[in-house]
Amino acid sequence: EAGVAQSPRYKIIEKRQSVAFWCNPISGHATLYWYQQILGQGPKLLIQFQNNGVVDDSQLPKDRFSAERLKGVDSTLKIQPAKLEDSAVYLCASSLELTYFFGQGTRLTVV
Amino acid sequence: KQEVTQIPAALSVPEGENLVLNCSFTDSAIYNLQWFRQDPGKGLTSLLLIQSSQREQTSGRLNASLDKSSGRSTLYIAASQPGDSATYLCAVAPDSWGKLQFGAGTQVVVTP
Repeated sequence: EAGVAQSPRYKIIEKRQSVAFWCNPISGHATLYWYQQILGQGPKLLIQFQNNGVVDDSQLPKDRFSAERLKGVDSTLKIQPAKLEDSAVYLCASSLELTYFFGQGTRLTVV
Repeated sequence: KQEVTQIPAALSVPEGENLVLNCSFTDSAIYNLQWFRQDPGKGLTSLLLIQSSQREQTSGRLNASLDKSSGRSTLYIAASQPGDSATYLCAVAPDSWGKLQFGAGTQVVVTP
């Protein structure tokens, strides 16, 4: 069974630039999550999709972050414009019956 | 507001010793609690899931207990090995929708 795929693995951008992350969940998993993990902290949920509908985006900074899930499969997370405090690992996960599968994450550095 | 705390933040033990990792949460109204392992530069791997109605869950050398009333969970790893070196995170789900709230993790080093 293929795992959750994320790209890119690493990204370095200057503040005020934009960036996009891509995630392909495990086939058949209806639920997809984006988490932000700042160094030394646990992951924090940014947005949760059920198929292509948003279940929870209460902690997503909507003035700069946006996310979509195309046809209930792949998802992209965008930041525009980026701030220094957005430096973190962005983790995508999908779940089936509450069993989570995480991708390897995208490490974003904003300079 | 739910808060999840893991103490200590880091732990070093010699190989063969049993590991005891602690997790506490402030709101006992949880749906389930999960333990994950995170290796450097990698995503999280699910280890154990305990439903709110359960007291413990076991998988191989791993055993997790849950005491909802006191807001505590403990992960036991028997006869630790160097391959157990990783960061261990606990997370609670407030409902059946799947959203998780994580602690900051305990970084474990098992020395040969």
